[in-house]
Amino acid sequence: QQQVKQSPQSLIVQKGGISIINCAYENTAFDYFPWYQQFPGKGPALLIAIRPDVSEKKEGRFTISFNKSAKQFSLHIMDSQPGDSATYFCAASNMGKGAQKLVFGQGTRLTINP
Amino acid sequence: NAGVMQNPRHLVRRRGQEARLRCSPMKGHSHVYWYRQLPEEGLKFMVYLQKENIIDESGMPKERFSAEFPKEGPSILRIQQVVRGDSAAYFCASSSTGGPPPGNTIYFGEGSWLTVV
Repeated sequence: QQQVKQSPQSLIVQKGGISIINCAYENTAFDYFPWYQQFPGKGPALLIAIRPDVSEKKEGRFTISFNKSAKQFSLHIMDSQPGDSATYFCAASNMGKGAQKLVFGQGTRLTINP
Repeated sequence: NAGVMQNPRHLVRRRGQEARLRCSPMKGHSHVYWYRQLPEEGLKFMVYLQKENIIDESGMPKERFSAEFPKEGPSILRIQQVVRGDSAAYFCASSSTGGPPPGNTIYFGEGSWLTVV
């Protein structure tokens, strides 16, 4: 019940296209859903996050869509650029019981072809 | 403002040796978290510490692993009698309080890569 399942494992998108990464969770106590970007040899960096009281959050080219009833959320990267090539992780936590005790998905290796 | 500093960045240990990983949180941060990332996997929570206190160690293996965050100095993750399965990237993160985001974002260091041979 603590798992967060992420798909696909890897994704190749042409420059300018839309990259879509999906995550599903089981624990209904989760109420904070961040996405992290990780470049090789680096630590994860927070990209964007959402609470379940909204269905969508947009920051620049990055959008999180959240479906509470389906217990799913996704990251959309619009106008994908080669610099977006990285591994992306979704995560979830319960803000009332240790907000920073994040449960991570398995990661998606995104490659943007020029 | 320096970020979360981890050292060593890379560490090679023979089976049975001890590994010590250090983490200095961001300036002004007093909450430290350790995560482990096995090859091709996501990060997994290990332990949450404040100065001189272990708040949550539910992700720590029961044996050989310990963590501390003393009043002075960096947080230390210690792995005794390392085995090949301990080979992983160990990430430290810090936050200013233990409260919820987005007001309290955690920041990750660049990781310590442990290889056990």
